[in-house]
Amino acid sequence: DAKTTQPNSMESNEEEPVHLPCNHSTISGTDYIHWYRQLPSQGPEYVIHGLTSNVNNRMASLAIAEDRKSSTLILHRATLRDAAVYYCILRDLSNFGNEKLTFGTGTRLTIIP
Amino acid sequence: NAGVMQNPRHLVRRRGQEARLRCSPMKGHSHVYWYRQLPEEGLKFMVYLQKENIIDESGMPKERFSAEFPKEGPSILRIQQVVRGDSAAYFCASSPWDPGANEKLFFGSGTQLSVL
Repeated sequence: DAKTTQPNSMESNEEEPVHLPCNHSTISGTDYIHWYRQLPSQGPEYVIHGLTSNVNNRMASLAIAEDRKSSTLILHRATLRDAAVYYCILRDLSNFGNEKLTFGTGTRLTIIP
Repeated sequence: NAGVMQNPRHLVRRRGQEARLRCSPMKGHSHVYWYRQLPEEGLKFMVYLQKENIIDESGMPKERFSAEFPKEGPSILRIQQVVRGDSAAYFCASSPWDPGANEKLFFGSGTQLSVL
């Protein structure tokens, strides 16, 4: 499985934008970039995903480098409820049975009031 | 529209007993994934099931662990003769079946298993 590298932890002030980086230098052409987050004592929840183009939804934006070797999850205005572990995951759908998500250690985001 | 339901939320077992963890996927979802999370660690994939089929069990320990997803009813993760090292949070996720559509996974709140 292609691997991702994320910082172990980050801090951000409340109501400021947050940029969470992810490196995936061995990404293949069929790998989608997914982001999930896990709030304390809860299961992970989907945040956003993309393949080549930048993506926006109500939760966040995903900026993907032109060579696809890195990406950045952008929270436009962090709130205390955004404190969580954020996972950047590559998902290969080219073969049936490969749909599982492989979680790394993620980035623990702390929001400072 | 109920989400993924896992029960029990907390399960306490003594060493040597059996643990049964249940997962009811979201309505219309035919695929189920089980993950285990040890304290202060990331989620580790265990098994991926379709109704009445195991698609990928590459993360399942070879002994004592089994999983099923019958035609009717919830998916069950069964751990026989539990040991203290089985203490962890077990999460279930479901997704609909749409080949290549990159459907997102919906996770339950997990079952916290404690082995005394």
